Amino acid sequence: GQQVMQIPQYQHVQEGEDFTTYCNSSTTLSNIQWYKQRPGGHPVFLIQLVKSGEVKKQKRLTFQFGEAKKNSSLHITATQTTDVGTYFCAGNSGYALNFGKGTSLLVTP
Amino acid sequence: EAQVTQNPRYLITVTGKKLTVTCSQNMNHEYMSWYRQDPGLGLRQIYYSMNVEVTDKGDVPEGYKVSRKEKRNFPLILESPSPNQTSLYFCASSPLGGIVGYNSPLHFGNGTRLTVT
Repeated sequence: GQQVMQIPQYQHVQEGEDFTTYCNSSTTLSNIQWYKQRPGGHPVFLIQLVKSGEVKKQKRLTFQFGEAKKNSSLHITATQTTDVGTYFCAGNSGYALNFGKGTSLLVTP
Repeated sequence: EAQVTQNPRYLITVTGKKLTVTCSQNMNHEYMSWYRQDPGLGLRQIYYSMNVEVTDKGDVPEGYKVSRKEKRNFPLILESPSPNQTSLYFCASSPLGGIVGYNSPLHFGNGTRLTVT
């Protein structure tokens, strides 16, 4: 299926630092979704972006969808220990939703 | 409570012994899907179903079977499990799926950790 690349694979930050994960597709996406998986848990839906250039915010989280609808990013401002987990993007350009491999975030107090 | 229920949560079995992992959702969702999660590989889709009696292969279907006889249930069957099927499995559902260019958010079950020795 279509490839959705996500980087970095891991990120370790000090509490209070910012964090960004990036998602890239070789094909134009119809939409992109973001999920968070806490350690030992299951993925939980965060948000969906549909429009070119769209930016959405959820408190300290900012989600962007690129103008060409081939890339997306999730930025967390001033990380907290509760942000620990793996963040997945999932892109759609057909029938299926294809997940990136995820970025695992570790936050040290 | 709206949820996707998977059973069992943990399963240890031996090579070749048939097993079934059950998945049930109480949200009247049309779309259901199975994923496996392995370190460094993320979530890979095994099979999905757009509605009753409609199933299709995902990216890694080899060694797995599914059925969708009722809207709420989507069991995953391993006819002859092998050690390379040791993984964390997730069932997920959503209200709509299989529409080109659109997916509604997925609701995931709590996962089934399978070990095949």
